[in-house]
Amino acid sequence: EVQLLESGGGLVQPGGSLRLSCAASEFTFSSYAMSWVRQAPGKGLVWVSAISSSGGSRFYAESVKGRFTISRDNSKNTLYLQINSLTAEDTALYYCAKGSAPAASIDYFDSWGQGTLVTVSS
Amino acid sequence: QLVLTQSPSASASLGASVKLTCTLSSGHSTYAIAWHQQQPEKGPRYLMKLNNDGSHIKGDGIPDRFSGSSSGAERYLSISSLQSEDEADYYCQTWGTDFHVVFGGGTKLTVL
Repeated sequence: EVQLLESGGGLVQPGGSLRLSCAASEFTFSSYAMSWVRQAPGKGLVWVSAISSSGGSRFYAESVKGRFTISRDNSKNTLYLQINSLTAEDTALYYCAKGSAPAASIDYFDSWGQGTLVTVSS
Repeated sequence: QLVLTQSPSASASLGASVKLTCTLSSGHSTYAIAWHQQQPEKGPRYLMKLNNDGSHIKGDGIPDRFSGSSSGAERYLSISSLQSEDEADYYCQTWGTDFHVVFGGGTKLTVL
């Protein structure tokens, strides 16, 4: 069974930065695109960013472009999200999600992690 | 612009059936979608991929009570023999040729 375990969330002041991680196991991590999806308290799911299997292509929602950076280390089976210049609007649970088809850059998600909570507050 | 529209809420009685709808925006009626379930205080769970011809690929362990169908720009998730654990938020998801992912606003299903 696919396992995705997020970490790195926490309480951060406005303007601060965090690096989220997602440790993947039980599948060939280097073959699949991965994404980050966030969910503000009481709100719906919002896609944030995606990265191709090799890491050569990266995609961002307009709302985070220039502030968030997605990356991956296929030797460590780990996905990352560097988030900078945080504002209260970035407060959310951040989930990593696995793409369904090998080599596809963007498609549907067939596995999810349990999320890591980012709270932006002074 | 690629948009998915869902009703905010739905309800049905224990043991009954319910059909949730996800509507694709104009010009995108042939797109496939995926359905995801999010039970209270849990992460999302993939239910199925649903194509515009109604064919679908379910996730591992998804009961036969869950099925999908399509008609034009509408994509449906049907749940039969409703159980208490089916009370959850249900999201549809699709992806565009511009390499962006889109979610519907979600439907909160209440099992009465």
